[in-house]
Amino acid sequence: GAVVSQHPSWVICKSGTSVKIECRSLDFQATTMFWYRQFPKQSLMLMATSNEGSKATYEQGVEKDKFLINHASLTLSTLTVTSAHPEDSSFYICSASAFETQYFGPGTRLLVL
Amino acid sequence: GEDVEQSLFLSVREGDSSVINCTYTDSSSTYLYWYKQEPGAGLQLLTYIFSNMDMKQDQRLTVLLNKKDKHLSLRIADTQTGDSAIYFCAESFLNQAGTALIFGKGTTLSVSS
Repeated sequence: GAVVSQHPSWVICKSGTSVKIECRSLDFQATTMFWYRQFPKQSLMLMATSNEGSKATYEQGVEKDKFLINHASLTLSTLTVTSAHPEDSSFYICSASAFETQYFGPGTRLLVL
Repeated sequence: GEDVEQSLFLSVREGDSSVINCTYTDSSSTYLYWYKQEPGAGLQLLTYIFSNMDMKQDQRLTVLLNKKDKHLSLRIADTQTGDSAIYFCAESFLNQAGTALIFGKGTTLSVSS
């Protein structure tokens, strides 16, 4: 099946620093990738849709200057949380679209101190 | 807007069948999905059903779709302790950038031996 990886799986950072999370489709090319955020015991909330070679489309309420998304190739999308604050602590999950379904990465847990 | 509702908890005994129910609002959804999430992990695609089908069976999993009532269910036969997890129902929808997913809040399945 289609495999999606994320790196890092865990990150702890100081408030005010920026963190980059990578999402890769390992055995297929994905023109569209998605970034979700999940709070404890909550559902996944779509943050943005990323199409290769174009600007990401952000959902309402998501600050595009804070959550920078780059989808430079068909197998890699990155999410950069800029000037992270404790309220940005969350579980970030990416997915890549293939064969009419979305395949999810294992998630990145971000803790901002 | 689009919305997906699920019951939050289900508790069953090992060997019994589990039925997780879901209702959705967007009648134009092309596909409906069931994902499984184990603690601290990403989402694993279990199965999906095309909107013009009313049933799909895949080993121990049976998906029933009542398009008229916008009701989707996942039946797990011979439930095992390894099936304990959170199960998310999701419907597809078109946003500006492509086809994204809206998730329910997830049903926590607890299987006791």
